[in-house]
Amino acid sequence: QVQLQESGPGLVKPSGTLSLTCTVSGDSVSDSNWWNWVRQSPGKGLEWIGEVYHSGSTNYNPSLMGRVSMSVDKSKNQFSLSLTSVTAADTAVYYCARDPDLEFWGQGILVTVSS
Amino acid sequence: DIQMTQSPSSLSASVGDRVTITCRASQGISTDLAWFQQKPGKAPKSLIYAASRLQSGVPSKFSGSGSGTDFTLTISNLQPEDFATYYCQQYKTNPLTFGGGTKVEIK
Repeated sequence: QVQLQESGPGLVKPSGTLSLTCTVSGDSVSDSNWWNWVRQSPGKGLEWIGEVYHSGSTNYNPSLMGRVSMSVDKSKNQFSLSLTSVTAADTAVYYCARDPDLEFWGQGILVTVSS
Repeated sequence: DIQMTQSPSSLSASVGDRVTITCRASQGISTDLAWFQQKPGKAPKSLIYAASRLQSGVPSKFSGSGSGTDFTLTISNLQPEDFATYYCQQYKTNPLTFGGGTKVEIK
């Protein structure tokens, strides 16, 4: 059974960098799947942030271009998200999810941007 | 970006009812569409992919149809555990985009 688990700070200061890690079990990040990040602002809908492949290839949502980066750590079977210059608008529950079709999701982690 | 528009945004239904949710894409996406169910405080759960294919373990009371720009999710024999918010999502083109959601509430 594929399981994903997000981890990272729950509080980030404005203008700081949000850094999250997704640990994968029951599957390998080196397999032929894209690994995704999706966020959901409080009481709002779902926003796709981007995806990363084990080769390091990435696709990002243009709305976040320039602030987002993703990477894969094969040795730890993890993939990561970094979002710079955060504001209150980046406060959200962040989910990691696996393709195809976003079949598997982590439980989500609430990240609040506040001083 | 491809815009996904769901309707209605909310609906009230009774246990045992059959409900239908509509999703419209701003341009043709073939059958590159998925449906998700989300309950409060939980991650979305994948129900359907390729517009009509059920994910493993999803009961057959859920069904999807459509292609191109117009899609539907139908839930038969609504049960208490089905009351949730449902989202459609296209994966034809990046960025992946979601509909605004349909909240199914108990009447």
